[in-house]
Amino acid sequence: KAGVTQTPRYLIKTRGQQVTLSCSPISGHRSVSWYQQTPGQGLQFLFEYFSETQRNKGNFPGRFSGRQFSNSRSEMNVSTLELGDSALYLCASRQGNTEAFFGQGTRLTVV
Amino acid sequence: AQSVTQPDIHITVSEGASLELRCNYSYGATPYLFWYVQSPGQGLQLLLKYFSGDTLVQGIKGFEAEFKRSQSSFNLRKPSVHWSDAAEYFCAVEEVYGQNFVFGPGTRLSVLP
Repeated sequence: KAGVTQTPRYLIKTRGQQVTLSCSPISGHRSVSWYQQTPGQGLQFLFEYFSETQRNKGNFPGRFSGRQFSNSRSEMNVSTLELGDSALYLCASRQGNTEAFFGQGTRLTVV
Repeated sequence: AQSVTQPDIHITVSEGASLELRCNYSYGATPYLFWYVQSPGQGLQLLLKYFSGDTLVQGIKGFEAEFKRSQSSFNLRKPSVHWSDAAEYFCAVEEVYGQNFVFGPGTRLSVLP
């Protein structure tokens, strides 16, 4: 069974641009969560999607948004990038009473 | 506010020595508790989890953790550390299962040969 796949693995963007990251969950998993990891703030929850609906949201500005498709794949978008958005973005999927499985992350660098 | 603390930012142990990583949380009730490990540039791998029942849980790679309600702690232990255990370890809690994790700041483990 394939694990959680995040694409791309690395990304370099310029301030002010926007970016879209993709996450393909484990087959059969309907819940997808996104986390931001930075050296200063650690791992912080962004949002969670379940059956195409946002179920939970963390404390991030509206520039951070996401969506989930009918096949459970999820995308997150960050608009008007700032230097402080440079981070490792992790996606996790889970189904029912199972643990969350994490992807390898997308390393975003904003210059 | 709900929080998870890992008092040790960095721990260094010799290969073969025992290990204990500390985790404390502040929640009203007993949350769901997890330990994850992250190797450099990688995602998170679950080591073990506690939902209920026996307070001593066994995980992968020879790790175990003990839940102590009176101390609001969930410490991770391993009797004999291997060089491949060098990584960052995160304690995480969920107040309600299926909601988002709150992660601790992490403990970086270095292993001396």
